[in-house]
Amino acid sequence: GESVGLHLPTLSVQEGDNSIINCAYSNSASDYFIWYKQESGKGPQFIIDIRSNMDKRQGQRVTVLLNKTVKHLSLQIAATQPGDSAVYFCAENSGGYQKVTFGIGTKLQVIP
Amino acid sequence: DAGVTQSPTHLIKTRGQQVTLRCSPISGHKSVSWYQQVLGQGPQFIFQYYEKEERGRGNFPDRFSARQFPNYSSELNVNALLLGDSALYLCASSFGMNTEAFFGQGTRLTVV
Repeated sequence: GESVGLHLPTLSVQEGDNSIINCAYSNSASDYFIWYKQESGKGPQFIIDIRSNMDKRQGQRVTVLLNKTVKHLSLQIAATQPGDSAVYFCAENSGGYQKVTFGIGTKLQVIP
Repeated sequence: DAGVTQSPTHLIKTRGQQVTLRCSPISGHKSVSWYQQVLGQGPQFIFQYYEKEERGRGNFPDRFSARQFPNYSSELNVNALLLGDSALYLCASSFGMNTEAFFGQGTRLTVV
C-alpha cells in the first residue's frame, strides 16, 4: 500500500542554522507532495508543495527538493527561528480527490 | 477572513455513546474533508465531501459517517464510541476537489 514516512522523528537545531527534514515515500505513482507544519494544539498548516514534474521549489525561507528516482523529498528551512519549532509532516495527494496521506512527522526543536 | 472553524474544541464521551462534530469551511470553499489524528501520528483521511456528495472515503468503519449541508458546512458522526476513537478530529476545506486544503484547529475527542 502507499505510505509516506520520515527518517528522523526528532531534529534539534541551533537557532540561525539551517534545518533539513527528510521524507521517503513508497508510491511511485505519487505526483503531488505537500509539507505541513503543525504547532501544538493547532491543525496542520500548509508550508509548500511540489508536483512531480519539478525537482525543486522555493518559498520564503523554505525549499522543497524532490528526487523521484529514490522516492525522497526534503524540506529545508533557512536560518531556523524559535517559531519554526513544530512537528513537520510530509504528505502526498494523488487520489484525484482531497485525500492527503500524511507521514509520521518530525518534531523540530530550535535551540535558542 | 475566518478560517476553517470546528466545534466543539474539546469533548468527553463515554464508550458506546454517539458524537457529532461540526465544521464550517472557509467562505467560498465547496470541499470539506475529515481526518483523525491519534496522538503521536499523522492525520488519517476519513471522508471528503464536495458539493454535498461523498467523494472519497478512508479505511474507517461504518460507525463513522458524515454529511455536507447546502451552505457547505459539514458534520462528522461517530456511533458506538470506542476508547480507540479518542483523537484529534480535523476538518479541512478547499475550493475544489483537489486544491490546497486548509485545516481547522480540530476537535479533541476523549472517550472514557
